[in-house]
Amino acid sequence: EAGVVQSPRYKIIEKKQPVAFWCNPISGHNTLYWYLQNLGQGPELLIRYENEEAVDDSQLPKDRFSAERLKGVDSTLKIQPAELGDSAVYLCASSPGQYNEQFFGPGTRLTVL
Amino acid sequence: KNQVEQSPQSLIILEGKNCTLQCNYTVSPFSNLRWYKQDTGRGPVSLTIMTFSENTKSNGRYTATLDADTKQSSLHITASQLSDSASYICVAGLSRSNFGNEKLTFGTGTRLTIIP
Repeated sequence: EAGVVQSPRYKIIEKKQPVAFWCNPISGHNTLYWYLQNLGQGPELLIRYENEEAVDDSQLPKDRFSAERLKGVDSTLKIQPAELGDSAVYLCASSPGQYNEQFFGPGTRLTVL
Repeated sequence: KNQVEQSPQSLIILEGKNCTLQCNYTVSPFSNLRWYKQDTGRGPVSLTIMTFSENTKSNGRYTATLDADTKQSSLHITASQLSDSASYICVAGLSRSNFGNEKLTFGTGTRLTIIP
């Protein structure tokens, strides 16, 4: 069974540029998460989807971050414009349901110059 | 404030030795306690999930314990191997919040290095 797929694995951009990350969850997993992980820290939830509905986006900085999960499968996280402080690893995870084990992708390491 | 604190921050042990990682949490209302292993450059991988009524759970050479009264958990690694070198993250789950959803609070992890 394929795991959670994320792309790109690495992205380097200049500040004020836009950037997008893509996630393909494990087949059949209805719940999808986007996390931000700074170096030496634990992941922090940005947004959680149940199918195509964003049920918890309270930690998503909506002035510059946006996400979508059309058709309830793949998801895209966008930052526009990127700031220096956005440099981090962006992790996507999926689970069969909210209270089940979460399976993480390898993450996208973003560097903003 | 919901918090998860882990100790030590880092640990170096010889291959074949045992070790125990500690986790203290202050989350309410508490639902479950999870341990994840995160290799460098990879996403976290679940090791164990314990509900508030469980005291221990094993996964191969990994054994997690939970004391919901003292709000402490530990992860014991037996006969360590070089492949155990990773960060180990303790995560506390809150039961349904105002949003009707579960919330997870992640610790900052313990960086474990196994040397030959």
